[in-house]
Amino acid sequence: SAVISQKPSRDICQRGTSLTIQCQVDSQVTMMFWYRQQPGQSLTLIATANQGSEATYESGFVIDKFPISRPNLTFSTLTVSNMSPEDSSIYLCSVDTGDNLFYGYTFGSGTRLTVV
Amino acid sequence: QKEVEQDPGPLSVPEGAIVSLNCTYSNSAFQYFMWYRQYSRKGPELLMYTYSSGNKEDGRFTAQVDKSSKYISLFIRDSQPSDSATYLCATNSGGFKTIFGAGTRLFVKA
Repeated sequence: SAVISQKPSRDICQRGTSLTIQCQVDSQVTMMFWYRQQPGQSLTLIATANQGSEATYESGFVIDKFPISRPNLTFSTLTVSNMSPEDSSIYLCSVDTGDNLFYGYTFGSGTRLTVV
Repeated sequence: QKEVEQDPGPLSVPEGAIVSLNCTYSNSAFQYFMWYRQYSRKGPELLMYTYSSGNKEDGRFTAQVDKSSKYISLFIRDSQPSDSATYLCATNSGGFKTIFGAGTRLFVKA
């Protein structure tokens, strides 16, 4: 399965600022996924990013707050904009495991964001 | 009601114990059932999956699904300290829209 490098691994940011998280995959993939993992809560899909098209956002997430870029088949970025303490969370990049039988995920190590 | 419910734990067991981790789900359309393991400061990794009802075994791990009761289980035999992690159940209908449980923290004491 693919290997995902995600950075930064953690950051502490001031409220009102923005942070861009980078995700690099060691193979070409059609779809990349961005998840949020808040303490004690389940993984929540933020958006799906396909190369060459606008990202598709899940209910409760908007492009102005979480702009996503997907310039090629191995790279994507997620920006968390105008941050508030409520944005403190772990953000995870993921791709399909490539198993033809079902849809599973390979995840990056995540970005642990604290907004102060 | 959440689509997937999972007891957050923590669950603490002695080394060598049999561990039982469980989830319930509400949507009968779910067909694929997965378990992910997440070590501290790491992303989740897919441990195993099953399709529809039944059991699947992989080494010390057994995944079990009972669709009639909408119940998902993961059993770990001869648990090791290296099994200490958070275990997340997950399910989908075959597409990429996957619903995750909140995870159960497991501690295996040496």
